[in-house]
Amino acid sequence: QLQLQESGPGLVKPSETLSLTCTVSGGSISSSSYYWGWIRQPPGKGLEWIGSIYYSGSTYYNPSLKSRVTISVDTSKNQFSLKLSSVTAADTAVYYCAEQITMVRGVISNYFDYWGQGTLVTVSS
Amino acid sequence: DIQMTQSPSSLSASVGDRVTITCQASQDISNYLNWYQQKPGKAPKLLIYDASNLETGVPSRFSGSGSGTDFTFTISSLQPEDIATYYCQQYDNLGLTFGGGTKVEIK
Repeated sequence: QLQLQESGPGLVKPSETLSLTCTVSGGSISSSSYYWGWIRQPPGKGLEWIGSIYYSGSTYYNPSLKSRVTISVDTSKNQFSLKLSSVTAADTAVYYCAEQITMVRGVISNYFDYWGQGTLVTVSS
Repeated sequence: DIQMTQSPSSLSASVGDRVTITCQASQDISNYLNWYQQKPGKAPKLLIYDASNLETGVPSRFSGSGSGTDFTFTISSLQPEDIATYYCQQYDNLGLTFGGGTKVEIK
């Protein structure tokens, strides 16, 4: 059973950089079938996709966050990471990492099937 | 950007009722539409992928249909454990977008 676990500071100061890591267990992050994504959810609000990465390092980001986001992968540690720069209170949210299926039986698809439990990051001085 | 309009934003129904949620895309997305269930304090759970495919292990009372711009998610007989917020999610060449969510409560 695949498991994902987010880790990182729960409190970040305004204008600083938010950094989170997702550790994958029960499977290899280097599988050719999957991307790995970050999604966030402000308190009481809906879900927002942040960006995704392939084990090779190929990335794509939400256009609205692209200028501030960097996602990287460390296959030796079976981890991928998120950096979000110049944070404000609007970046306060629960941040989830997830396995992203992009192909099913040779047909293009795109959904998140395994999710981490989420970690709350608060931006405040 | 493709915008997803999900409705209603909330609904209240009785146990055993048929519940329907819709999601409309601002342009044709073929069948690139997924549905998730999120219970309070928990991560979302995939229920339906590619508009109508039931994820393994998900009860058959959940179903999805549609293609192009109009999609429907149905719970055929609402159960107490179905109380949750439901989200649609689309994908295109720019990325992924979630609908605003529908909170389902028991009447």
